[in-house]
Amino acid sequence: GNSVTQMEGPVTLSEEAFLTINCTYTATGYPSLFWYVQYPGEGLQLLLKATKADDKGSNKGFEATYRKETTSFHLEKGSVQVSDSAVYFCALSFISNFGNEKLTFGTGTRLTIIP
Amino acid sequence: SQTIHQWPATLVQPVGSPLSLECTVEGTSNPNLYWYRQAAGRGLQLLFYSVGIGQISSEVPQNLSASRPQDRQFILSSKKLLLSDSGFYLCAWSLGAGANVLTFGAGSRLTVL
Repeated sequence: GNSVTQMEGPVTLSEEAFLTINCTYTATGYPSLFWYVQYPGEGLQLLLKATKADDKGSNKGFEATYRKETTSFHLEKGSVQVSDSAVYFCALSFISNFGNEKLTFGTGTRLTIIP
Repeated sequence: SQTIHQWPATLVQPVGSPLSLECTVEGTSNPNLYWYRQAAGRGLQLLFYSVGIGQISSEVPQNLSASRPQDRQFILSSKKLLLSDSGFYLCAWSLGAGANVLTFGAGSRLTVL
């Protein structure tokens, strides 16, 4: 079946540190891959996505590259800020029996940035 | 622009009581609709999804049910809540096949005592 495994948290970093949150996936076919972010007390928001191998998604200084050979989609940011503190979810999409796309999420990684 | 609303935002209910969480989407037609649950330490679990009025697919056997009485309304219900139903419930929508970005509501936090 389809599944996503992401780095367990919590992760605590100092401001301006380099961030990596690992994500690997198992899927049949060629899924699209996503990172969603959940700020405290809010729902999830799409952060970035990649729809095919070697694509790089980027947004707000975050990047992730779709690596088919290692089935990975690691999230990176060169210099984190306090405002990046949130829970980050890796996800993949696949086609349901009804023909719509469904997302499977990882368990989430809580990131806290210290000033 | 499209918006999604969920209510109530917070709910505290006794074991055995009924539940109704509502979700509505504005600014689009015939969306795919989803209910997810986020339990502590367990990430996001897809509970139900719907591709049209009256069309509900259940992902996991459980104490909950979902209904879609109107195109842009999705309701999560239970006749008798269990302690294990506590969690953060998220409604989401997406457009038709091939559009794979979900837009989430702000969530409803349910505590069953």
